[in-house]
Amino acid sequence: AQSVTQLGSHVSVSEGALVLLRCNYSSSVPPYLFWYVQYPNQGLQLLLKYTTGATLVKGINGFEAEFKKSETSFHLTKPSAHMSDAAEYFCAVSDDSGTYKYIFGTGTRLKVLA
Amino acid sequence: DAGVIQSPRHEVTEMGQEVTLRCKPISGHNSLFWYRQTMMRGLELLIYFNNNVPIDDSGMPEDRFSAKMPNASFSTLKIQPSEPRDSAVYFCASSPDWSSGNTIYFGEGSWLTVV
Repeated sequence: AQSVTQLGSHVSVSEGALVLLRCNYSSSVPPYLFWYVQYPNQGLQLLLKYTTGATLVKGINGFEAEFKKSETSFHLTKPSAHMSDAAEYFCAVSDDSGTYKYIFGTGTRLKVLA
Repeated sequence: DAGVIQSPRHEVTEMGQEVTLRCKPISGHNSLFWYRQTMMRGLELLIYFNNNVPIDDSGMPEDRFSAKMPNASFSTLKIQPSEPRDSAVYFCASSPDWSSGNTIYFGEGSWLTVV
C-alpha cells in the first residue's frame, strides 16, 4: 500500500533562508510524486511533479524537488524564502498499480519570518 | 480557462438537514474526485469517477453520504442527514484522464459548518 510521511507539521524560516520540506513515501511499484501548495482559503495547486525521467524536478515559484529512490524521499526545497511562500504544502504519491488514488501527506505549514 | 467550480463556497446548516454540494469540473476532464479536509484527518479521498462512473467510493464515510455524476460537466455530493462531525472543507477536483501521473486540479472548496 502507498503512504506518504511529511516530517514536521510546522516549519519556520527567515525570509531569504533556505526552505526544506521533507517527504518520504512508501510504494511497492515505481511512484509518481507530487507537491501541492494551499494558500489560505483556497484549493490545492500543483507546485511540481515527478513521473519519469530526470530526478530533479523544477516547479513554479522557484521550488524544486529531487526524487531519491534509495532514500524513498522527495524533499521540496527553495534557495531563498519569500513572505509570499507562507502556505501549507502537501506531498502526494500515486502509481500505476490500477487504483488511481493519490495519497496525500498530512501537510506542512510553512511560516516565513521577516 | 475556468477551473473547477464549486458551490456553495460557504454553508452553515443545522444538524439533520440535507446538504448538497455541487461541482463543475474542467471541460474535457474525464476524472472527478471529491475530497474532504479536516484538521484531525487531513485530506481524505471520498470518491472518484471516471467518465461519469463511480470507480471507488471506499472513502465515503457512511450511508449518509452519496455522490452522483449525471453528466461530464456536473457532480454532486449529498449529506443526509448532516451531523456536526461533517463540518469540513469539501474539495472537488478533476483530472484529464485515467492516468496516475496526471495533475489533479482542485476547486476552491465548499466550507461546511453543521451546527
